[in-house]
Amino acid sequence: KAGVTQTPRYLIKTRGQQVTLSCSPISGHRSVSWYQQTPGQGLQFLFEYFSETQRNKGNFPGRFSGRQFSNSRSEMNVSTLELGDSALYLCASSLTSSSQETQYFGPGTRLLVL
Amino acid sequence: QKEVEQNSGPLSVPEGAIASLNCTYSDRGSQSFFWYRQYSGKSPELIMFIYSNGDKEDGRFTAQLNKASQYVSLLIRDSQPSDSATYLCAVNKGTYKYIFGTGTRLKVLA
Repeated sequence: KAGVTQTPRYLIKTRGQQVTLSCSPISGHRSVSWYQQTPGQGLQFLFEYFSETQRNKGNFPGRFSGRQFSNSRSEMNVSTLELGDSALYLCASSLTSSSQETQYFGPGTRLLVL
Repeated sequence: QKEVEQNSGPLSVPEGAIASLNCTYSDRGSQSFFWYRQYSGKSPELIMFIYSNGDKEDGRFTAQLNKASQYVSLLIRDSQPSDSATYLCAVNKGTYKYIFGTGTRLKVLA
């Protein structure tokens, strides 16, 4: 079974631009979560989607948004990029989203904002 | 106080020794606990999960959970240089959200 895939793997943008990242979960998985990972803050939760509905959101500004499609694929968008948005963005999928469900991570998208 | 706390390390152990990694959490309502390993430049990969108080063993790895003390640990027996990585503790509070610690860097010395 194929793992979680994320595109693109690397991205360079300039301040003020916007970016869209894509995540395809493991086949059959319906829950997709997004995280931002930086050296100083570690892995921080952005949001979680299940059956096209956002069910929880982390403490990030409204510039960060996401959505999930009917095939469980998900996208996240960051508008008006800031230097501090440079990070590794990780997507994780799980079969459902029960508290005992294991998440599997994709390879991540490394975003550099100049 | 962070919701999930880990010592950043590095924790250095000689090859063949037991490595002990610790994690504390603040929310007593936390329901499940996960350990991930992350190699430099790679994404986290699951090592173990534990839901109930006590020990859970899987090969060289043992997870220990003490809900009364709000403490979860990971023991790695017969540590190998290939175990050198950052170990992330994650907690699920049952709200469709996983909270991660900042990780402990482990160095196994050959």
